[in-house]
Amino acid sequence: KAGVTQTPRYLIKTRGQQVTLSCSPISGHRSVSWYQQTPGQGLQFLFEYFSETQRNKGNFPGRFSGRQFSNSRSEMNVSTLELGDSALYLCASSLDRFGIAGLNEQFFGPGTRLTVL
Amino acid sequence: KNEVEQSPQNLTAQEGEFITINCSYSVGISALHWLQQHPGGGIVSLFMLSSGKKKHGRLIATINIQEKHSSLHITASHPRDSAVYICAVPNSGYALNFGKGTSLLVTP
Repeated sequence: KAGVTQTPRYLIKTRGQQVTLSCSPISGHRSVSWYQQTPGQGLQFLFEYFSETQRNKGNFPGRFSGRQFSNSRSEMNVSTLELGDSALYLCASSLDRFGIAGLNEQFFGPGTRLTVL
Repeated sequence: KNEVEQSPQNLTAQEGEFITINCSYSVGISALHWLQQHPGGGIVSLFMLSSGKKKHGRLIATINIQEKHSSLHITASHPRDSAVYICAVPNSGYALNFGKGTSLLVTP
């Protein structure tokens, strides 16, 4: 079974631009979560989607948004990029057998490393 | 919010040593995750446990729900175990709160 894939793997943008990152979950997984990882803040939860619905959102500004498609693939978008948005963005998928993503094993993708200049 | 504290922050061990990494959290939970992150970024889920102990190869994870504490043990450590180990707990059901991670270096 193929693992979680993320595209692109690396991205360089300039301040003010916007960016879209993509995540394809493991086949059969309907829950997709997004995380931001920076050296200063560590891993932080961005949002989680299940069956095209956002179930929870972390404490990030409205510039960060996402969506999930009917095939469970997910995208996240960051508008008006700031230098502080430079980070590794990880997505994770899970089977969500118990109806609560945090109680299911999560399978992580390799991440997209975003650099904002 | 469920605060997660890990210790130690950094750990250097010699090959063959027994290693323990600790994780404490502030709010009662139903499950705790241990993750491993190698240089380059990829994260692998090692354990998800809600009680007692789980073992996988040389890795052992334990949890004490009453004391809100979990430990990850590595027996007979090897240089390939060098990585960052992160503990995470559910927050509001759909999110995970992460510890800052423990950076482990195992030298030959």
